[in-house]
Amino acid sequence: NAGVMQNPRHLVRRRGQEARLRCSPMKGHSHVYWYRQLPEEGLKFMVYLQKENIIDESGMPKERFSAEFPKEGPSILRIQQVVRGDSAAYFCASSPPTLAADTQYFGPGTRLTVL
Amino acid sequence: LAKTTQPISMDSYEGQEVNITCSHNNIATNDYITWYQQFPSQGPRFIIQGYKTKVTNEVASLFIPADRKSSTLSLPRVSLSDTAVYYCLVGGQSGGYNKLIFGAGTRLAVHP
Repeated sequence: NAGVMQNPRHLVRRRGQEARLRCSPMKGHSHVYWYRQLPEEGLKFMVYLQKENIIDESGMPKERFSAEFPKEGPSILRIQQVVRGDSAAYFCASSPPTLAADTQYFGPGTRLTVL
Repeated sequence: LAKTTQPISMDSYEGQEVNITCSHNNIATNDYITWYQQFPSQGPRFIIQGYKTKVTNEVASLFIPADRKSSTLSLPRVSLSDTAVYYCLVGGQSGGYNKLIFGAGTRLAVHP
């Protein structure tokens, strides 16, 4: 039973390039969350998606950042025209569609470095 | 969402029991208390969750007093591999989902 998969694990981009981060949730999970973590800090919520719907993007920067979770395929976090301040670890988490106090299962993260 | 306060760091030795206390004075009635563990270069891993009294699993125990304004994560007989950052989170579903609010966590260092 595979866990949450993220790729790439490490991504290096130059300023102004685009970064695409992928997340495949656990089997049976239809809820996906994206978080960002700066060094020595806790994770910060960015966006919550269900299949084909963005439910809560209150943690996403207003510009350059977008996320999607299509009907087929992984969830994508896209950062356009990256800047050095975007360097961070980006974690995806998934949870099942239940009403219980849900447990989120995290992927290994993508470490983005902007040169 | 209730704010949590926990020690920035703790040190322990192999074989000892470690107790990490978290304060959450403004916890709401429908909030759960959840602890995650994070190793360097990895995503957080769920450890334990509770609402009140005591919860125990194969990894840890969680003690929650009656007023629920604090909680204590207990790790029995720690080993070097328990060196990690431990996060205490308080919250619950709102609108059918739960965006987790992470603080800085407690950095636990286990020494030989």
